[in-house]
Amino acid sequence: SYELTQPPSVSVAPGETATITCGGRNIGDKLVNWYQKRPGQAPLLVIYDESDRPSGIPERFSGSIFENAATLTIARAEAGDEADYYCQVWHRGRDDLDVIFGGGTKLSVL
Amino acid sequence: QVQLQESGPGLVKPSETLSLTCTVSDYSIKYQFYWAWIRQTPGKGLEWIGSVYRGGSTNYNPSLRSRVALSVDTSKNEFSMELRSVTAADTAIYHCARAAVTDKTYYFDSWGQGTLVSVSS
Repeated sequence: SYELTQPPSVSVAPGETATITCGGRNIGDKLVNWYQKRPGQAPLLVIYDESDRPSGIPERFSGSIFENAATLTIARAEAGDEADYYCQVWHRGRDDLDVIFGGGTKLSVL
Repeated sequence: QVQLQESGPGLVKPSETLSLTCTVSDYSIKYQFYWAWIRQTPGKGLEWIGSVYRGGSTNYNPSLRSRVALSVDTSKNEFSMELRSVTAADTAIYHCARAAVTDKTYYFDSWGQGTLVSVSS
């Protein structure tokens, strides 16, 4: 099976840059997506296909891949960015397809 | 903008079947997207359950495949999920979502608010 590994928590000061990583075997071969999840709200797609932003997502949010980790970068962090962030890929195994989420990273802006 | 709304019982007894429906508004499910179920268990992260296409073809999480069935009803613009033989471990917030799927990509661009389902006698 395929697994994605995220740090449980990341802290950033307001106005600084937050970086959240997502590790996985040969992740550079996959298209990584990122979701923001606030308590009581629906998850929100913030990055798809590694680095594309859906309409309405601020340019402060960006995605990239380097070596064996995908990265979500949030520039000029704001209090409203506090949330859990999940990476996600799809993986075709020998017999079937699977969609995998990372364990999530809690971003604190303080 | 597409809207999705989950509905179904909030409480299911152990060993019974959990049935949920997702009603889609402002977008026809006959168009070219998959429609998915994803859950979040208490204190844990997101878990994909499965996806269904307008014609009825499905992808399932291998760990849940033996217990889950997804279906679509294009006449009602809704899709549904059944999860059999539930246990307390199936207690979760269940979200429905729209999935953009190609041979290269698979992501969820619109989500419902989610509905909490508890499994308890």
